Amino acid sequence: DQQVKQNSPSLSVQEGRISILNCDYTNSMFDYFLWYKKYPAEGPTFLISISSIKDKNEDGRFTVFLNKSAKHLSLHIVPSQPGDSAVYFCAARAGGTSYGKLTFGQGTILTVHP
Amino acid sequence: DAGVIQSPRHEVTEMGQEVTLRCKPISGHNSLFWYRQTMMRGLELLIYFNNNVPIDDSGMPEDRFSAKMPNASFSTLKIQPSEPRDSAVYFCASTLGRGVSYNEQFFGPGTRLTVL
Repeated sequence: DQQVKQNSPSLSVQEGRISILNCDYTNSMFDYFLWYKKYPAEGPTFLISISSIKDKNEDGRFTVFLNKSAKHLSLHIVPSQPGDSAVYFCAARAGGTSYGKLTFGQGTILTVHP
Repeated sequence: DAGVIQSPRHEVTEMGQEVTLRCKPISGHNSLFWYRQTMMRGLELLIYFNNNVPIDDSGMPEDRFSAKMPNASFSTLKIQPSEPRDSAVYFCASTLGRGVSYNEQFFGPGTRLTVL
């Protein structure tokens, strides 16, 4: 049972344009959401997060939007740069004594063309 | 400040052999996670520990897989016997938390396992 889904395996955009990566979840106990970025031969690195009490969080070129009623979140990258080309993972954390456990999606490969 | 350290970075072995993957979490972190990354399933959580105690091993695929955390600075993931379908990248991650408040996880560089 895939509780966190990233339905687009890949996304290709032009440098300078907006990249939008999507993520859907099914578990209503999730109260904290994160995006990780992964380059080849490296471990995932934390990018940005959002609490379920918010609907938007910004950090420079990166903005995450959360729509709780739709159980959907998205990551916007504006403007996209070639160095943003990587695999992006959406992750979710349930409240309570989960000890920081995260459930990850399958990942979306983003390619930004110069 | 050293991040999460994993060894070996690459492991090639033959079917039936025992494989041991090692992880040193970030000093002071109290939760440790083992993941497996495959194309089909993305990042799967195999097992995680809190204060060196295994909390949830429901992601461990079979009895061939086992994990230990003898102390706060070391963990191992063992596969015995290994099979070709175990070929994947295995990641270790750690985080620090208290009660129900936890920070983001920090990942190691991974171990690429190939079982021939």
